[in-house]
Amino acid sequence: EIVLTQSPATLSLSPGERATLSCRASQSVSTYLAWYQQKPGQAPRLLIYDASIRATGIPGRFSGSGSGTDFTLTISRLEPEDFAVYFCHQRGNWPETFGQGTKVEIK
Amino acid sequence: QVQLQESGPGLVKPSQTLSLACNVSGGSISNGDSYWSWIRQLPGRGLEWIGYIHYSGGTYYKPSLKSRLTMSVHTTKNQFSLQLSSVTAADSAVYYCARESVHYDSDGESHWYFDLWGRGTLVTVSS
Repeated sequence: EIVLTQSPATLSLSPGERATLSCRASQSVSTYLAWYQQKPGQAPRLLIYDASIRATGIPGRFSGSGSGTDFTLTISRLEPEDFAVYFCHQRGNWPETFGQGTKVEIK
Repeated sequence: QVQLQESGPGLVKPSQTLSLACNVSGGSISNGDSYWSWIRQLPGRGLEWIGYIHYSGGTYYKPSLKSRLTMSVHTTKNQFSLQLSSVTAADSAVYYCARESVHYDSDGESHWYFDLWGRGTLVTVSS
């Protein structure tokens, strides 16, 4: 089973700052990696799929990059609504797995 | 629009069977391009993929849970379900049903992702 390690566990930033979140896979998942945002009491929401493709309706400040084992989600300028937990998810190797999440909190 | 809604007991005793259902509304479960999934969120915040079922009945279970897991699809009810036997406290979690679907871009390339989630239901295993 592929382990996805997200770092950092918590990111403390101010609105307007840039957020860089990392997801590292224990084996290559090609580009079959997605990013989801989750707010308290809500289900996860798809942001990015296939490593770098923004989902419909997702603002341009969200971008994804990477392939193989190293992936990055970047939020160029944090808006108040972006403070949430972010998960990566891989379907490049079965069974599918998720990372443990990175919490982006207000500094 | 298509919506998913989980239902089932919020409290299950240790060693018993956890049973949940997911009702699909606003669309048909008999969609060949979708896999109907169960995902749980363990205390803390980690997400764990449990498995999925196709409307044809084909199932794919996480290997570590396979011996305790049964998923079923009920096309006439537009519903799918999860049964997890011999539960322990470690199975306490928020359980989500979700749809993993294929989407095709303008070049005809396929892309799979979870595009629809239920709101989740908290299940606690305790005597």
